[in-house]
This record gives sequence, C-alpha cells and structure tokens, in this order.
Amino acid sequence: AQTVTQSQPEMSVQEAETVTLSCTYDTSESDYYLFWYKQPPSRQMILVIRQEAYKQQNATENRFSVNFQKAAKSFSLKISDSQLGDAAMYFCAYRSRIQGAQKLVFGQGTRLTINP
Amino acid sequence: GAGVSQSPSNKVTEKGKDVELRCDPISGHTALYWYRQRLGQGLEFLIYFQGNSAPDKSGLPSDRFSAERTGESVSTLTIQRTQQEDSAVYLCASSLVLLTYGKVYEQYFGPGTRLTVT
Repeated sequence: AQTVTQSQPEMSVQEAETVTLSCTYDTSESDYYLFWYKQPPSRQMILVIRQEAYKQQNATENRFSVNFQKAAKSFSLKISDSQLGDAAMYFCAYRSRIQGAQKLVFGQGTRLTINP
Repeated sequence: GAGVSQSPSNKVTEKGKDVELRCDPISGHTALYWYRQRLGQGLEFLIYFQGNSAPDKSGLPSDRFSAERTGESVSTLTIQRTQQEDSAVYLCASSLVLLTYGKVYEQYFGPGTRLTVT
C-alpha cells in the first residue's frame, strides 16, 4: 500500500518570503500522480498543483512550484512571494495511475502560517 | 455552476445513535468519493462510487459504516451505533472519469460535515 508522509506539522513564513513544504511517499508503482491540496478554515479542499510521475519537468502554477525527485520519492511544494491568503493546511496526496484506482492517499498535513 | 454540497454542515449526536450524511455531487460527475478527516489528521479514503459499477468499499472502517448512491446523483453515508471515535469531518468529492488507462480528472470537494459524537 502507498503511504504519504509530511514531516512538518507546522511552518511559518514572513509575508512576501518563500517557503518550502516537504512531502515523501512510498510506492512500488512506477507511474502515478502527486498533488498538493490547500485546506483553509472553511474546510474546502482546493487543488493547488499536480505532477505526473512520468514527466521529468517540475509542475508550476503561478507562485506555486514543486520539486519532484522520483528516485528519492520526494515531492516538495515551494510557495514564492507568500501572501496572507496562503495561510491554510496543506496536504500532499498520491494517486495511482492504475485504472480503477481512483482514491487519493493523503499525508498528515502541514499548517502554514503567514506572518505580516 | 454549483459545486459539491453536503448536509448537514454540523451534526451532534449521542453515542449509539445512527446518523446519515448527504452529498450532492456536481452534475455530470460520474465518480463520487467519501473521505474521513479526524482532528489534525489527513483525509482517509472510505468509499468510491463510479457509475453503475460495484463501489470500492475498501476504506470503510467497520460494518457500522455504509453508503449508497442512486445512479449518478446523491449519495448518503450512514453510520450506525455511532461511537466517539467516529467524531470527524466527513468530506465528499466528485469527479469526471474517463475509463481509459490512467486518465484522471480533478476531484472537487464539498465543505464537509463535522460529526461530533457525545
């Protein structure tokens, strides 16, 4: 079974600075997807960014980018120019690419605080 | 268009009572998922429905938990004889699914139901 580990329960950063959230995972599969989700106090899960394992290029979405190290099974999220609205819980998630395996496997989450 | 909706938003129940949680997926989404999120934890998969296929119930923690979905519409998660360890936020998500190898669509989540068992 796949597992996802987020070793940083809490992180804080000054507004406008850059912060990196860590995620490692364990799988025997070679083809899969990885995601970062944001969960503000409203509880709504919001997809931030996704990475397909067969792609070597790191995904980027505006101020959000990932550092995907497949051999190390590491998938970190970098947030540049942090804004107050980025404060939330962030979850790393794994999804198999096997047909029918639709469920997401989540890490424990990292609470990100933005200091003004 | 409307997103995934869940009701009730909050539910407080006494230990031993049964509860029903409702999820209305996005119209046209054939896949529906239930997850559980305990306080301070990540989401745990409970069950997955896809069209008329048999649901994937591999995440249900005990036989006190069951879920139904009629066609591609509303789903109900039922917890019988609730226990204090059932206290959590129950999140529902829906997505499109294309039944070819590896095609994945984003899962859209509802706001969840916070269940408190006293």
